[in-house]
Amino acid sequence: EPEVTQTPSHQVTQMGQEVILRCVPISNHLYFYWYRQILGQKVEFLVSFYNNEISEKSEIFDDQFSVERPDGSNFTLKIRSTKLEDSAMYFCASRNDRGRQEKLFFGSGTQLSVL
Amino acid sequence: AQSVAQPEDQVNVAEGNPLTVKCTYSVSGNPYLFWYVQYPNRGLQFLLKYITGDNLVKGSYGFEAEFNKSQTSFHLKKPSALVSDSALYFCAVRDSTGGGNKLTFGTGTQLKVEL
Repeated sequence: EPEVTQTPSHQVTQMGQEVILRCVPISNHLYFYWYRQILGQKVEFLVSFYNNEISEKSEIFDDQFSVERPDGSNFTLKIRSTKLEDSAMYFCASRNDRGRQEKLFFGSGTQLSVL
Repeated sequence: AQSVAQPEDQVNVAEGNPLTVKCTYSVSGNPYLFWYVQYPNRGLQFLLKYITGDNLVKGSYGFEAEFNKSQTSFHLKKPSALVSDSALYFCAVRDSTGGGNKLTFGTGTQLKVEL
């Protein structure tokens, strides 16, 4: 089965630093997402992206966050100035809406630790 | 707004016994409902979905779920549990009518299957 690939698997950064989390969604998918999971808590929606623009975002996705699909294959999440509370597992996901599949494919995640 | 409740943090069951993991949902319109499973240090994997049609849906690894509109529930079931089913299970909902394209997840239920 095709996979969503995320890099790096772990990222450690100092508070206030910028981080970029990278994802390669499945090639024929049209919708792209970022979710995060703080340790022991539920999976939270951050942002969805379709047709080269943000289609929906949560309250968590403030001005410190941005997403980009720079080259038609990668999908990145940038956190401009990290805070301690940004420490979480970040999951990328993609979906192909043809045939109303509705099924999200998730990557294995990037564990972000902000010190 | 759309939401999901998973009332049990953990479910313990003996191998070979039937298992049920509970989920109730709230949406304004018609729900699309999903179950995902998460193994340690892995991303979420799709198990099954209800979009329309039969209320009983069958998914991967012998799991099934029953959509009950009057009770707004979508409980996950399996007739005979295996030790390898031990994992974290997430119920999710998307409002198909005006709810955007994000999935909202529950807090997760840890399933532990013992010999």
